[in-house]
Amino acid sequence: QKEVEQNSGPLSVPEGAIASLNCTYSDRVSQSFFWYRQYSGKSPELIMSIYSNGDKEDGRFTAQLNKASQYVSLLIRDSQPSDSATYLCAVYIQGAQKLVFGQGTRLTINP
Amino acid sequence: ETGVTQTPRHLVMGMTNKKSLKCEQHLGHNAMYWYKQSAKKPLELMFVYNFKEQTENNSVPSRFSPECPNSSHLFLHLHTLQPEDSALYLCASSQDIAGEQFFGPGTRLTVL
Repeated sequence: QKEVEQNSGPLSVPEGAIASLNCTYSDRVSQSFFWYRQYSGKSPELIMSIYSNGDKEDGRFTAQLNKASQYVSLLIRDSQPSDSATYLCAVYIQGAQKLVFGQGTRLTINP
Repeated sequence: ETGVTQTPRHLVMGMTNKKSLKCEQHLGHNAMYWYKQSAKKPLELMFVYNFKEQTENNSVPSRFSPECPNSSHLFLHLHTLQPEDSALYLCASSQDIAGEQFFGPGTRLTVL
């Protein structure tokens, strides 16, 4: 089992809808979880961090963490074409003491 | 701008060349990282430095040699690379090794 898994997509969502991105991880004791956005040809940009179970909202973005199910998700409300990018889930693996990235989900928002 | 800069932004080199990539962070962070990103592959962690000490070498070939003279600067020395080493090389920094990482713009490397 991969340490961090994401559906590579592509995921297509109509403009104005909610985009839902999912990520699972294998290390039960992980405490730190991050979502990055990467536009084509650019470097990853941190958009959300979450450390506790439940939801964390920042503008149109909501991160959801369920440690019991080892699952973290990112919801994007009122999706815009500018949200089209690859979204990377990253989990700090306590045992290995390093941040491990998923392969990323490519999201396309259709006008 | 994330406060992490990288130079050069683009580099083309032959297999017998020696070149260096430079990274500088202006965030007062204590940890710095080198990642490799190839097309259609996940980010690959190469090296980690924490308080200038190397704490991770992720089975990287010796033709890649990192150097961290202080907590603000990180170099990646390249020597006798192969065409499959062509990729985007990303530098990142964080306050500590478990914290949020901030990435530089990357160096797009092409090895001929």
